[in-house]
Amino acid sequence: NAGVTQTPKFRILKIGQSMTLQCTQDMNHNYMYWYRQDPGMGLKLIYYSVGAGITDKGEVPNGYNVSRSTTEDFPLRLELAAPSQTSVYFCASSYKDRVLAEAFFGQGTRLTVV
Amino acid sequence: RKEVEQDPGPFNVPEGATVAFNCTYSNSASQSFFWYRQDCRKEPKLLMSVYSSGNEDGRFTAQLNRASQYISLLIRDSKLSDSATYLCVVNPMNTGFQKLVFGTGTRLLVSP
Repeated sequence: NAGVTQTPKFRILKIGQSMTLQCTQDMNHNYMYWYRQDPGMGLKLIYYSVGAGITDKGEVPNGYNVSRSTTEDFPLRLELAAPSQTSVYFCASSYKDRVLAEAFFGQGTRLTVV
Repeated sequence: RKEVEQDPGPFNVPEGATVAFNCTYSNSASQSFFWYRQDCRKEPKLLMSVYSSGNEDGRFTAQLNRASQYISLLIRDSKLSDSATYLCVVNPMNTGFQKLVFGTGTRLLVSP
């Protein structure tokens, strides 16, 4: 029962570096999401996908890119890392078309940009 | 006004106490509501969905008041293991997909 798996769990980046946060789910969920959580703040939606080949911006997409080539994988790309991107990143997935569908989260990636 | 607002707490209660959290939401068209629990440095996990008629799961009771646009979570007979942050989550359902809007959370500390 892997659920949603994120890698890496921790990462320190230098300003200007790039990286990809990996997310994969084995529940055959259509919907996948990337959130970031800053201290004392709620989760903010970065990007989401309603199915393979379909992605769209959330509330805070600047500085990030995503792709969804398969149902299982939804990587998040950070280009030109900035200190403002220091945060905890959560990937999540859920079933399509269920009003009370539960969102399942990965364990998170703690990213520090220095 | 924030889409979802919660009292950040912390709520400090002794074991066995009853504690209640409220959460208000701004979008009157919101259709689905949830309480998630987040332990320190962990991912959020669904605690319970909130139904229009209110619902109970063991020591936990959730209520929805559409007229006043708030939801509540009542925890009876608090346990040490209930110490966590409780996130109020609303799905406005006006975008055609599961856009979950998270509150900032209410922190609960249960002491012996």
